[in-house]
Amino acid sequence: GQNIDQPTEMTATEGAIVQINCTYQTSGFNGLFWYQQHAGEAPTFLSYNVLDGLEEKGRFSSFLSRSKGYSYLLLKELQMKDSASYLCAVRDSNYQLIWGAGTKLIIKP
Amino acid sequence: DVKVTQSSRYLVKRTGEKVFLECVQDMDHENMFWYRQDPGLGLRLIYFSYDVKMKEKGDIPEGYSVSREKKERFSLILESASTNQTSMYLCASISSPGLSSYEQYFGPGTRLTVT
Repeated sequence: GQNIDQPTEMTATEGAIVQINCTYQTSGFNGLFWYQQHAGEAPTFLSYNVLDGLEEKGRFSSFLSRSKGYSYLLLKELQMKDSASYLCAVRDSNYQLIWGAGTKLIIKP
Repeated sequence: DVKVTQSSRYLVKRTGEKVFLECVQDMDHENMFWYRQDPGLGLRLIYFSYDVKMKEKGDIPEGYSVSREKKERFSLILESASTNQTSMYLCASISSPGLSSYEQYFGPGTRLTVT
């Protein structure tokens, strides 16, 4: 079957760095997405990786290793507004998105 | 900016009622999706549509049906609501899912409670 694993919850301190991991086993691979979802709101797109390596976008970076079925989202200089759930999703061979359950990130002052 | 709107943010219905959830997007996207989101589970695909009057079952279509009469509108129908359909329902749209980094745009969600 298809499976995406992420930690359920993480806690970090304002101003620090946090890494949220995602491992996947899917039928084919056509890209990996990270979304941010604040409580009670819709998910919003953060990043996309299809080739191995690091993609940097401001305070957020996303890394992919296709051979290991692994990705991480790195958040730097954490701010209180980064408190949210972070969803990992993989696009499979049928171009459908398979979603992880999400990681709830709690930022403490 | 792409805008995806859903007819209600919160809805309370009784068991056995017929429920309509509507989604409208304003970016002329061909592909539209209905998901449900429950605590501890990832987004689960109920149905999707890649063109007007076309529909495909997702992972959990049982108890649901959909309608796409116009390109911009995709409706989710619960023929006879049950308590296990209490959930957050999210609509999404995308231009062409096979093209590189095209991401899905989501509506604000409808939190449905069935009593």
